[in-house]
Amino acid sequence: EIVLTQSPATLSLSPGERATLYCRASRSVATSLAWYQQKPGQAPRLLIYDASNRATGIPARFSGSGSGTDFSLTISSLEPEDFAVYYCQQRSDPLTFGGGTRVEVK
Amino acid sequence: QVQVVQSGPEVRRPGASVKISCKTSGYTFTNYCLHWVRQAPGQGLEWLGIINPSGGTTIYAQSFQGRVAMTRDTSTSTVYLEVGSLRSEDTAVYYCARDHGRLRWDYYFDYWGQGSLVTVSS
Repeated sequence: EIVLTQSPATLSLSPGERATLYCRASRSVATSLAWYQQKPGQAPRLLIYDASNRATGIPARFSGSGSGTDFSLTISSLEPEDFAVYYCQQRSDPLTFGGGTRVEVK
Repeated sequence: QVQVVQSGPEVRRPGASVKISCKTSGYTFTNYCLHWVRQAPGQGLEWLGIINPSGGTTIYAQSFQGRVAMTRDTSTSTVYLEVGSLRSEDTAVYYCARDHGRLRWDYYFDYWGQGSLVTVSS
């Protein structure tokens, strides 16, 4: 099973700041990685798939990069609605998720 | 617009089973696979498996094989998840989520239901 390790566990930032979240895979997943945003009491929302492709309706301030074992999600300028938990996910068998990064208001 | 609507909360005793429904609309049901993902309280996400509504083919995560069953009803565009031999560790919100790929298996999730809370308690 491929283990996804997300860092940091918590990111404390102010609106308008840049956020960079990381996801490391225990072995290569090529570019088969997605990012999701989850707010309290809500289902996750797909942000990025295949490492760098924005999902439908996702603002351009969200971008993803990486390949192999190291990936990142960048939010160029945090909006108030971006404070949430973010998960990465790989799709090799078995499909697994990272443990999440919480982006909180500083 | 695509909608994914799940059944309501359930409470079960240990050892019992539960069946959750997931009704979809706004797209051709048989063109997209559906997944089940769960989230224990305050925890991360765990994938249970996938069903292809077109032929009913299923793939289950190894840790759930023999204890879960996914079925579909094409007449109502609904998929079902049944979990048996429930234990307290199965207490979680269970989500139904549509696969991102049309007529293929992408294993990314683009539309999610609102979640169904299953509580297992004696």
